[in-house]
Amino acid sequence: QTVVTQEPSFSVSPGGTVTLTCGLSSGSVSTSYYPSWYQQTPGQAPRTLIYTTNTRSSGVPDRFSGSILGNKAALTITGAQADDESDYYCVLYMGRGISVFGGGTKLTVL
Amino acid sequence: EVQLVQSGPEVKKPGESLKISCKGSGFSFTNNWIAWVRQMPGKGLEWMGIINPGDSDTRYSPSFQGQVSISADRSISTAYLQWSSLKASDTAFYYCARREKYAYDYWGQGTLVTVSS
Repeated sequence: QTVVTQEPSFSVSPGGTVTLTCGLSSGSVSTSYYPSWYQQTPGQAPRTLIYTTNTRSSGVPDRFSGSILGNKAALTITGAQADDESDYYCVLYMGRGISVFGGGTKLTVL
Repeated sequence: EVQLVQSGPEVKKPGESLKISCKGSGFSFTNNWIAWVRQMPGKGLEWMGIINPGDSDTRYSPSFQGQVSISADRSISTAYLQWSSLKASDTAFYYCARREKYAYDYWGQGTLVTVSS
């Protein structure tokens, strides 16, 4: 079964830039996987940040951006703020209606 | 306004059955697939499966195939997630989410299912 990989944890300084990645245990991520990104804070439902690789969801600040970097999907946060401290998940569409979540990245802003 | 409203928390014993629900409003329920996502305590999000309420076409993650059943009643804009025999390991939050452009743009508030003897 295909595994979607993410860094377990990452830290960034306030005002800094961080790039989280989303890869495959076998193969490369391309736009054909329609990568999307979600932010989740404890006790809350996930919030959609990015869909179809690089389209920001309504109301999402432009400091969040999505891309393909090498063989992975990437979420870049530019000018990190304290309230960006959350768990971040990517989702890849595998075809035939099936999606898979990555394991999530816990982002610390300090 | 698009909304997905899930049923309330459940406390069940191992071996019992359960059906939780997700009611959509503010959009044409038959035009979007609805997915279910599990989050076990302190763990990440897991995609379980998805249904097209328009024709009840359903797809499951291999990890959940045979473990749960997803259904929908388009006449009341409601999707369901069902277990026939719960296990303690089914204790988790369960979220429904609307799929749009291969992503999940609206989410229910989550339903906590606790399975304990």
